[in-house]
Amino acid sequence: DTEVTQTPKHLVMGMTNKKSLKCEQHMGHRAMYWYKQKAKKPPELMFVYSYEKLSINESVPSRFSPECPNSSLLNLHLHALQPEDSALYLCASSQDFYGYTFGSGTRLTVV
Amino acid sequence: GEDVEQSLFLSVREGDSSVINCTYTDSSSTYLYWYKQEPGAGLQLLTYIFSNMDMKQDQRLTVLLNKKDKHLSLRIADTQTGDSAIYFCAESMRGSQGNLIFGKGTKLSVKP
Repeated sequence: DTEVTQTPKHLVMGMTNKKSLKCEQHMGHRAMYWYKQKAKKPPELMFVYSYEKLSINESVPSRFSPECPNSSLLNLHLHALQPEDSALYLCASSQDFYGYTFGSGTRLTVV
Repeated sequence: GEDVEQSLFLSVREGDSSVINCTYTDSSSTYLYWYKQEPGAGLQLLTYIFSNMDMKQDQRLTVLLNKKDKHLSLRIADTQTGDSAIYFCAESMRGSQGNLIFGKGTKLSVKP
C-alpha cells in the first residue's frame, strides 16, 4: 500500500457544526502532515506530527484541532469554522522527512 | 529567507518537450521535489532529487539541478495532453522537521 487515503472527499458544513477530516497511511511513515490549499495557491503547512507527537503548529487557529491516535491515522477536528476556511485540505506522510506522499484531499466548504 | 520561484504559465504543443524552471534561495536545501496537481485533485509526487545530485532521469522526466545558481528544472519529453496540470517545485531543508516550501506552481497547457 503506497497511498495516503483521505475521507471524506467533499464536505459542506455550517459555521456552528463540528466535523472531522480523516487521513490514513499504511506505509510505516512516521511523519504526518496537514496542509491547507486555497484556490490557485500552493499548499500551506498547518501541522506536523512526528512519531505521533505534534512537532509543528504553524500558528493555526484553535478552531482546527489535530489528533494522531496512532502511527497510521491523522485526524483534523473542525469546530466553528468561518467561510474563509473553505479550501482543499491535504494530508501527507513521509519517512525521515523526505519523499512526501500526499492524499487526494478533502474539499471543504463552510457555509 | 526561504523562497521558491516559478513562472506561472507554460504552453506547449503535443509531442514537444516542456521545460519548467524553478529557483530557490536556501542553500541548505536537502531535497527538491516536483509535484503535479490536476484540477480538483491532490498532489502527485513526480520525482525528487537530493541536493548533491546534478541530474535524475525517470522515463519521460529529467530533473536538472544547478546548485551554484540554485536552479532546478523539470523536462517532460514528448508532452501529452494528459500532462496538462499545475506543477509545483518544492524544497525541504535539513532540520526543518518536514516543512516543504512550495513555489506558486506553473500551469502547463498542452495543445493538440
